[in-house]
This record gives sequence, structure tokens and C-alpha cells, in this order.
Amino acid sequence: AQRVTQPEKLLSVFKGAPVELKCNYSYSGSPELFWYVQYSRQRLQLLLRHISRESIKGFTADLNKGETSFHLKKPFAQEEDSAMYYCALRGTGNQFYFGTGTSLTVIP
Amino acid sequence: NAGVTQTPKFRVLKTGQSMTLLCAQDMNHEYMYWYRQDPGMGLRLIHYSVGEGTTAKGEVPDGYNVSRLKKQNFLLGLESAAPSQTSVYFCASHRRGTSEGNEQFFGPGTRLTVL
Repeated sequence: AQRVTQPEKLLSVFKGAPVELKCNYSYSGSPELFWYVQYSRQRLQLLLRHISRESIKGFTADLNKGETSFHLKKPFAQEEDSAMYYCALRGTGNQFYFGTGTSLTVIP
Repeated sequence: NAGVTQTPKFRVLKTGQSMTLLCAQDMNHEYMYWYRQDPGMGLRLIHYSVGEGTTAKGEVPDGYNVSRLKKQNFLLGLESAAPSQTSVYFCASHRRGTSEGNEQFFGPGTRLTVL
């Protein structure tokens, strides 16, 4: 089965603290994974994708095939990082599977 | 360049009524998708299309139909709306191939309430 799990619905951290949003996936082939973000009253937008191995807005995510994880990390959270974050998997037939999302709140 | 647009933005229906949601993209993307977003459920794929004239079922297709008569448009229809279809609907598109790493571009969403 192709599935994405985000175990935390809500996550609160203080400004300047490290943040990690967890994502685990289930996929039999070579996965293609993404993190999307939805800021208040804005549409979903791509934050980063594992294939690019990039850092966007200070966020990074490493694909760990052994643990089937793609956790999103940032060493120092900022207030503007408060948003809803979705982990997504591109599965077979170009279907995309999204996790249930994690709502991140950065406390000033 | 408007990207992905959705019409309407809001709609209230009575049980049993029908309606069509329109998604349009001006990026010449081959792939288009319809999702629904519900609290605690994340985004779930309803139907998708890999090209003009083709459609396929996603994770939660029951109660919905779609059509892709033109490459730039993807229509989502509800033939007989039910309260369980109260949701926020998102359309998305992306280009074929791997040059952009399959980044999906999303519309602003349509908030549908079925009474």
C-alpha cells in the first residue's frame, strides 16, 4: 500500500528553537517525496522535494530509506514558519498521496 | 500568467442538487488533479487526468465525475450532492517529465457546503 503518515497533528515550538516535522511513508519502489506548506489564507505551495536536496527558508529534509522517513527540519524556527505542512508521495500512475498534515505554531 | 484558477470560490448546495467545479490552468500542464481537504484527513485524491481526454479514479472517487475535454480545463461534477461532500476542494496541475521534479501547482480552493 502507498501511504504517508504524519503522526503529529499539532506542533508548537518557541521562536529560535529547532523544529522537526515527522513524515513516514510506505512505498515499494523508489519514492519521490515532497513537503508542501499552506500559510494562512494562501494556497498550498511546494516547500521542497527530496530529489533536489535543497534548503528552502532554512528547512531541509533527508530521505531515509531504511526508516522510510522524510522528516522536515529547521534549526531555528521563526514566527513566519507557522503554517500547515503536508508531506506527499508520488506513487504509481502519477497519483500523489498526502499525509494528514501538521499544523506548526511558532510561539514568539 | 494566472496559474491555476478555480470557480466558484464558495458554494452552498442542498442535498440532491448538482453542480460543477471548474479548474483552469494556463501553464500548458499535462497532468491535473482534484483533491478534497477535510479536517484530520489531509488531502485525498478524487480523480486525476494525465492528458486531454483521459481521466482516472483516485482514492475517493465515489459520488464524483470528471471531464477533461480541453487540456487547460478539468471539471469536477457532483450529480447528487450529499452532506458528506461538504469539504474544501483543491485542483492542482503539473508538467509531464522530471525537469521540475513533478511539482504540483495548486488552485486557491473551493469551499463547498451541502445542507
